[in-house]
Amino acid sequence: AQSVTQLDSQVPVFEEAPVELRCNYSSSVSVYLFWYVQYPNQGLQLLLKYLSGSTLVKGINGFEAEFNKSQTSFHLRKPSVHISDTAEYFCAVSRSNAGGTSYGKLTFGQGTILTVHP
Amino acid sequence: SAVISQKPSRDICQRGTSLTIQCQVDSQVTMMFWYRQQPGQSLTLIATANQGSEATYESGFVIDKFPISRPNLTFSTLTVSNMSPEDSSIYLCSVGQLNTEAFFGQGTRLTVV
Repeated sequence: AQSVTQLDSQVPVFEEAPVELRCNYSSSVSVYLFWYVQYPNQGLQLLLKYLSGSTLVKGINGFEAEFNKSQTSFHLRKPSVHISDTAEYFCAVSRSNAGGTSYGKLTFGQGTILTVHP
Repeated sequence: SAVISQKPSRDICQRGTSLTIQCQVDSQVTMMFWYRQQPGQSLTLIATANQGSEATYESGFVIDKFPISRPNLTFSTLTVSNMSPEDSSIYLCSVGQLNTEAFFGQGTRLTVV
C-alpha cells in the first residue's frame, strides 16, 4: 500500500516570495506522482506530474517539482508566488503494477493550504 | 484529457433520505472512481466503478451505503443512502486512463440536515 505525507498543513507566505510545499511518499512498488490544486469551491486541477524521465518536472502557473527517489520525496516549488496562488495543494501517488502500468487510482496527502499575503 | 460533468453541484438533504450523484464523461474511459472529501480533509477513495459489474469498494465503504452503477464507459452514478449529518462532504467523480493523470469533476457538495 502507498501513503503520502504532506509535511505542512498550512504555509503562509508573502507575495513574490519563493515557496516550497513538501511531500513524501512510501510505496513498495514504483509510483507515478502528482500535484493537484484546489481553489475554493472548485474541483481539482492538475499542476504537474511525474511519470518517468527527467526528475525535474515543470507544470502550470510557474510551479515545478523534483522527484527524489532516494528520499522518496516530490516537493513542489515556485520561485515567486502571487495572490492568486492561494489555494489548497494536494500531493498524490498512483500505484503502478509490476508491468509499470497505472490507471489513475490515487492516494492523496492531507493537503497544504497555501496563503499568499500582499 | 477528459471533461467530466457532475450533477448536482450541491444539495441540502434531510437525514434518512438518499441522493444519487451523476457523472458524465465526454469520452469513453477505462476507469472511473468516486472520492469523498470531508470538511477540512483530504480525498478518500470510496470505490472503483466497474463497467458492467459490481463496484470495488475500499476499506470502510460498503455497497449498501454507497451503491454505484456504471452502465457504460462514459457514465456512472453514486448514491449516498440513508444519509446522516456525517455524510456531509464533497463527492468527486474521477476518471483515469493508462499511465497518465486522473481527471476530476467539479464535485457535489452535500449537506445533510
